Amino acid sequence: DTAVSQTPKYLVTQMGNDKSIKCEQNLGHDTMYWYKQDSKKFLKIMFSYNNKELIINETVPNRFSPKSPDKAHLNLHINSLELGDSAVYFCASSRGGLAGGLDGGELFFGEGSRLTVL
Amino acid sequence: GQQLNQSPQSMFIQEGEDVSMNCTSSSIFNTWLWYKQDPGEGPVLLIALYKAGELTSNGRLTAQFGITRKDSFLNISASIPSDVGIYFCAGQLQGAQKLVFGQGTRLTINP
Repeated sequence: DTAVSQTPKYLVTQMGNDKSIKCEQNLGHDTMYWYKQDSKKFLKIMFSYNNKELIINETVPNRFSPKSPDKAHLNLHINSLELGDSAVYFCASSRGGLAGGLDGGELFFGEGSRLTVL
Repeated sequence: GQQLNQSPQSMFIQEGEDVSMNCTSSSIFNTWLWYKQDPGEGPVLLIALYKAGELTSNGRLTAQFGITRKDSFLNISASIPSDVGIYFCAGQLQGAQKLVFGQGTRLTINP
C-alpha cells in the first residue's frame, strides 16, 4: 500500500494551460506539504496544511492554489503555466506539525510529479 | 540565514570506500535529518537527530548533530552499489514549521 500517492506521475502541457496534481496519504498524518524540486535537485517548500488549515505559504505565485478537502488530501492547482514551472513536485506528510516535539522532522514523500511546460 | 550549505555536491568513489558529507549553517537548528533520494523516487528518511551532540547509527550509516547546533555530518561505511543516490540534509529551525533542505550530495559508486 502506497503511503503517500500523487497523480499524475508525469504531466506535459503547453504554456498558459491550467493543471492539477492530486495527493493522498493513508498514514493518518495531520500535516501535508508540497515541495518543488528544480533541475538542480534543490528542494523548496511551497505550502503546508495542518488538518486542512494553511500553515505555510512560501511566497509562491498566486497562480498556485493548494486545496485540502480533508486531512488526507492535498491537491495543487496551477493556473496559466509558465516555462519556469517545469519541475518535479513532491507531496509529503508528517505525523504532526513541525513546531517542536520528537514527531517533528520526518516527512514521508510521494514519488513526485514531473511537470514539463512546453 | 536559513540556508544549509551541504558538501560535497558530488562524490565519485569505489565500492567499499567510506563516505563522509556534511551540512553547515549560520543559524541554529533544533533538528537535523538526513534523507536519501533514489532516481524517480521521493526522498526517504535515513536518520533523525534531535539533540546537540547526538550521534546516531542506522546500519552502515552514522550521523551526528553538531554541538553548536549549526552543523551535522553523515558517514557511510563500506559503500555498496545500492548506496548510489542523492543525500540531503534537512534542518528545522527552532519554532519553525518547515524543514530547510541542503543542496544535496550526489553519490556515484564505481564497482
